[in-house]
Amino acid sequence: EAAVTQSPRNKVTVTGGNVTLSCRQTNSHNYMYWYRQDTGHGLRLIHYSYGAGNLQIGDVPDGYKATRTTQEDFFLLLELASPSQTSLYFCASSVQGNYAEQFFGPGTRLTVL
Amino acid sequence: QQKVQQSPESLIVPEGGMASLNCTSSDRNVDYFWWYRQHSGKSPKMLMSIFSNGEKEEGRFTVHLNKASLHTSLHIRDSQPSDSALYLCAARGSNTNKVVFGTGTRLQVLP
Repeated sequence: EAAVTQSPRNKVTVTGGNVTLSCRQTNSHNYMYWYRQDTGHGLRLIHYSYGAGNLQIGDVPDGYKATRTTQEDFFLLLELASPSQTSLYFCASSVQGNYAEQFFGPGTRLTVL
Repeated sequence: QQKVQQSPESLIVPEGGMASLNCTSSDRNVDYFWWYRQHSGKSPKMLMSIFSNGEKEEGRFTVHLNKASLHTSLHIRDSQPSDSALYLCAARGSNTNKVVFGTGTRLQVLP
């Protein structure tokens, strides 16, 4: 089974703080994704990437930057965190292809005070 | 922006009963649908996929797809308490790499 890990698992920061969420997949998947999950909104795509150095804009990108440094590693950066970014963040990966399922990491719960 | 609508928002069925969940996309270019299941405190995990018109059955789970109406449904027969979870529908068009998720149906199966 595909393995996707995330760190930290929980994070508390203050408004205006700087936060980096990390994701690593060890399955040689091309695609990696960052989602946020909020009650009533389901999973919303923030950014995604199809390889090292590549970045694609998702549906809710405002306030977020992302960087794919290697095939395995995808980072989500919040440079001026706001309370509206309090959420559960999931990273996922998939192979390339129309039929590809996504494999999710365990999630990071972020609280911005 | 494509939207994926799911209904009902929540559903309670007795153990052994049938649960029926619905999902419709607003994007006429959608070609691929998935159903993911997310147990409480866990991450989503793919349950079933369907890409062609018709029906697909895996054990107690059956999915239907009608591409003309952009509608898919998931049916769980002989529901078990362990089926209690959030069920997320996901859809993708043939002209994009983005997968859009619905807001989910929360299923509770009562013993």
